[in-house]
Amino acid sequence: GQNIDQPTEMTATEGAIVQINCTYQTSGFNGLFWYQQHAGEAPTFLSYNVLDGLEEKGRFSSFLSRSKGYSYLLLKELQMKDSASYLCAPYGQNFVFGPGTRLSVLP
Amino acid sequence: GAGVSQSPRYKVTKRGQDVALRCDPISGHVSLYWYRQALGQGPEFLTYFNYEAQQDKSGLPNDRFSAERPEGSISTLTIQRTEQRDSAMYRCASSSQSRDSYTDTQYFGPGTRLTVL
Repeated sequence: GQNIDQPTEMTATEGAIVQINCTYQTSGFNGLFWYQQHAGEAPTFLSYNVLDGLEEKGRFSSFLSRSKGYSYLLLKELQMKDSASYLCAPYGQNFVFGPGTRLSVLP
Repeated sequence: GAGVSQSPRYKVTKRGQDVALRCDPISGHVSLYWYRQALGQGPEFLTYFNYEAQQDKSGLPNDRFSAERPEGSISTLTIQRTEQRDSAMYRCASSSQSRDSYTDTQYFGPGTRLTVL
């Protein structure tokens, strides 16, 4: 089976940095996705990690440790439009989304 | 180009009725997924198609749920004898890769909000 754990909610201030953690246990592991989902909208792709380490893409970076079953999404220079849910999705035998972390960015 | 589209966007039905939800994936996309998403939760996998072949239906909750993709493009998710607990957002996603490629970036449609009264 698969077990994915993310914080339910986080709050941060505009311009700050926030780290959203995800721990997972999967049957097999091929990689891990992060998706962003604004309220009432469809999830959109942010990042995909296969190897250990940090992948940087503009203001967003994603880290993976395969041996620890751990990933995080790092958001820098937060903007109001970053208020959304962030979904961790490890890809093992099946593709499973975590419950999501609802991030609120305050002015 | 056009993204994934779904219809109807909203469906209200009475308990016991059958409903058919349609997904039109991005043209040429190989993989098609159906998910169900409750408010405040991540998408819950229902079923997966590789072209027209339904390769994984392990997430379908019971035999009232079925899906098809007869020509490897448009897909229909059918729920028979709907129950109130079926009320949810049903989302479709497509990908240019096969799921087994392990690089399966999915593009999601806007979803169909199903309400069973």
